[in-house]
Amino acid sequence: ETGVTQTPRHLVMGMTNKKSLKCEQHLGHNAMYWYKQSAKKPLELMFVYSLEERVENNSVPSRFSPECPNSSHLFLHLHTLQPEDSALYLCASSQGMDRENTYFGPGTRLTVT
Amino acid sequence: GENVEQHPSTLSVQEGDSAVIKCTYSDSASNYFPWYKQELGKGPQLIIDIRSNVGEKKDQRIAVTLNKTAKHFSLHITETQPEDSAVYFCAADSGGGADGLTFGKGTHLIIQP
Repeated sequence: ETGVTQTPRHLVMGMTNKKSLKCEQHLGHNAMYWYKQSAKKPLELMFVYSLEERVENNSVPSRFSPECPNSSHLFLHLHTLQPEDSALYLCASSQGMDRENTYFGPGTRLTVT
Repeated sequence: GENVEQHPSTLSVQEGDSAVIKCTYSDSASNYFPWYKQELGKGPQLIIDIRSNVGEKKDQRIAVTLNKTAKHFSLHITETQPEDSAVYFCAADSGGGADGLTFGKGTHLIIQP
């Protein structure tokens, strides 16, 4: 595996479910990000982790909970989501907080029913 | 914070012609400007970037120009081919900090055969 991988690629969940998105980067980077991509809107930064510590959560609702156990893995835990949370969730990584050469994964297409 | 505007939202060109996508940014402290290409079902892929100490950068058929005074930058694709069809995003970053890359809303480039 190379680059940034994400699983699952597609996820359908009810509003009462709990699920987790997984991201893994194979680039030796030490900063990882979660972005939300909705139709007709710019990519929205949700969470930033640098050296496994969360730097900013950008006022994301608490129904989204990130976890970064090490510099290669990033999770996004989901619970009691709303239909408006349906979107493509993208993981990205870079070397340090300098955003040069930020690489994205393929994303998880999330549908909340 | 930074605000990035991108135009046009849709661009249709004949195969072989050139395509130009334009972006403006608001934060004069921004010093890094990447461009991403996103194909259907995939995450954004970095295709070219430029730093604020450079006015132009070229890589084969793609080039990016930056006007710091006017706070705008553009992507130029020459001799367009069908595989250039995708959504293109510009972004800006002021370097470090917790804000991540700020993205434009994207341009859907359609190459007509």
